[in-house]
Amino acid sequence: QVLLQESGPGLVKPSGTLSLTCAVSGVSITNTNWWSWVRQTPEEGLEWIGDIYHNGLTNYKPSLESRVIISVDTSKNQFSLQLTSVTAADTAVYYCARTSIQNYYPYALDVWGQGTTVIVSS
Amino acid sequence: DIQMTQSPSSLSASVGDRVTITCRASQSISSWLAWYQQKPGKAPKVLIYKASNLQGGVPSRFSGRGSGTEFILTISSLQPDDFATYFCQQFSGYPYTFGQGTKLEIK
Repeated sequence: QVLLQESGPGLVKPSGTLSLTCAVSGVSITNTNWWSWVRQTPEEGLEWIGDIYHNGLTNYKPSLESRVIISVDTSKNQFSLQLTSVTAADTAVYYCARTSIQNYYPYALDVWGQGTTVIVSS
Repeated sequence: DIQMTQSPSSLSASVGDRVTITCRASQSISSWLAWYQQKPGKAPKVLIYKASNLQGGVPSRFSGRGSGTEFILTISSLQPDDFATYFCQQFSGYPYTFGQGTKLEIK
């Protein structure tokens, strides 16, 4: 059974850096999938942040690209999200998810972590 | 970015009803669309991928159709467990974008 588990601080100060890690179990992070971060707020709904392949290739949402770094640690079977210069608008539930691939094309986020709430506040 | 627009935003229905939710893309996405169900406090769960393919373990009362810019999720006979929020997401191009959601409530 593939499981994803987010971890990281639940409170981040404005202008600080949000850092989350997603531990993957039940499958090697080096298999043929991409690994995504998604966030959700009542106002904006679900927002795809970016994804990463095990070799370090990344894609980011353009509006967040200047503040986002997604990285992977294959030795620990985990991937991470860093979001810099945070504001209250970055307060959200953050999810990590597996992007499933078929014939080299992504088709769904088929496994999700349970989500972690991050509040940006002083 | 490709904009995804769902309708309706909310819907009241009864157990046993047939329900349809529409998702429209701002440009053609071929069949690169997934549908998700989300319950309060839980992560989304994929129901349909590539517009019409049922994810393993998902009841057959769920079905999807469409291509290009218009897609429909149908629940053939609503069950109590189906009252939730439903989202579409396109995988045609980065950034992957979601619809705003359709909340399905009990009438």
